[in-house]
Amino acid sequence: GAGVSQSPSNKVTEKGKDVELRCDPISGHTALYWYRQRLGQGLEFLIYFQGNSAPDKSGLPSDRFSAERTGESVSTLTIQRTQQEDSAVYLCASSLVDEKETQYFGPGTRLLVL
Amino acid sequence: RKEVEQDPGPFNVPEGATVAFNCTYSNSASQSFFWYRQDCRKEPKLLMSVYSSGNEDGRFTAQLNRASQYISLLIRDSKLSDSATYLCVVKRVGEIIFGKGTRLHILP
Repeated sequence: GAGVSQSPSNKVTEKGKDVELRCDPISGHTALYWYRQRLGQGLEFLIYFQGNSAPDKSGLPSDRFSAERTGESVSTLTIQRTQQEDSAVYLCASSLVDEKETQYFGPGTRLLVL
Repeated sequence: RKEVEQDPGPFNVPEGATVAFNCTYSNSASQSFFWYRQDCRKEPKLLMSVYSSGNEDGRFTAQLNRASQYISLLIRDSKLSDSATYLCVVKRVGEIIFGKGTRLHILP
């Protein structure tokens, strides 16, 4: 079946511009996660959705970052007024809400802020 | 102390050798444990869950030591294709935490 998809796969933008990243989770997965991974670094948790609500927003690095999810499906991560330090791969994962909650990752969006 | 700690490596291991690495976690309320694998410029993928009694999947063996709060991954008869970063993942209610990973290079 279809896995997690993300778009765009690559995004180059100028400092100060807004960007919107999209995640399509596996159908039926109620949990959805966003992570950021800078080059050569580990995964940095950003936000988690249970259904359409995000009980934990503490991982968002600043108020320039926001995320939403609709229809317990697609999620968008928006970065306003991008800065060069926002350059990273943004990974989305989804999972069932069961004992294991195995996460399945999308291929990521590679964001470069010039 | 970081919640999940791993030796970043790299571990440079000759092909065919056995290699093991550990991951320590600080929160005793952690409930579930996993090893993920991440290839260069790729997304992480689940390698195996870690069960209290220890579990094996082919050449891979995972173990959990709750008393000492660590999990381990053992790879036997290592292959060139095992070269990757191995991420330790710890889960508790409402929270999943990834370690920064251990880099493994299998040398021909």
